[in-house]
Amino acid sequence: DTGVSQNPRHKITKRGQNVTFRCDPISEHNRLYWYRQTLGQGPEFLTYFQNEAQLEKSRLLSDRFSAERPKGSFSTLEIQRTEQGDSAMYLCASSLGGIAYEQYFGPGTRLTVT
Amino acid sequence: AQSVSQHNHHVILSEAASLELGCNYSYGGTVNLFWYVQYPGQHLQLLLKYFSGDPLVKGIKGFEAEFIKSKFSFNLRKPSVQWSDTAEYFCAVNEDSGYSTLTFGKGTMLLVSP
Repeated sequence: DTGVSQNPRHKITKRGQNVTFRCDPISEHNRLYWYRQTLGQGPEFLTYFQNEAQLEKSRLLSDRFSAERPKGSFSTLEIQRTEQGDSAMYLCASSLGGIAYEQYFGPGTRLTVT
Repeated sequence: AQSVSQHNHHVILSEAASLELGCNYSYGGTVNLFWYVQYPGQHLQLLLKYFSGDPLVKGIKGFEAEFIKSKFSFNLRKPSVQWSDTAEYFCAVNEDSGYSTLTFGKGTMLLVSP
């Protein structure tokens, strides 16, 4: 399968713990996006990379959230000191450069904070 | 900031009925418009997109959408739905002059009864 992959698919954690998610984009895609989706809502943009540079961050991305994309390949999203409000589906997408290109989404990581 | 509104959160149709899902956006500049679909248990995938040119765009599986600039609308249509069209449909927009991050509507859940 050459699509976008995300790991883990599900994560249950206790409040206050740190969690890290991984996204592997389609190999030739230089753009990578993170979105968050809660029940009854559409995906909301979190952050965006072009190659290894993080070019945009949403104000939704509090100080507890950090994302990296070392070497412009896979990306990680870390949430520190998780809160119950962080429970959501975290989606990763990738695309070729330029606005005209389709974003391909991964299956998501469902986070449940107890 | 741009926003996207989808008129119906839930739509129930019988097979062979015609479908129209409303989408309006708020942004005064040039935008690119998308419809994504999420079938049960699957990830988001692109149905169709509009960047420029003919405002009537055709996508996969017999779907089409019409961009009406004066109404800030991008409604999705299908003349005859099938049971397999049961899914959640998301309208999304990005600014032509900005980064390619997408702003999504809240989605419309379509249930097609056989």
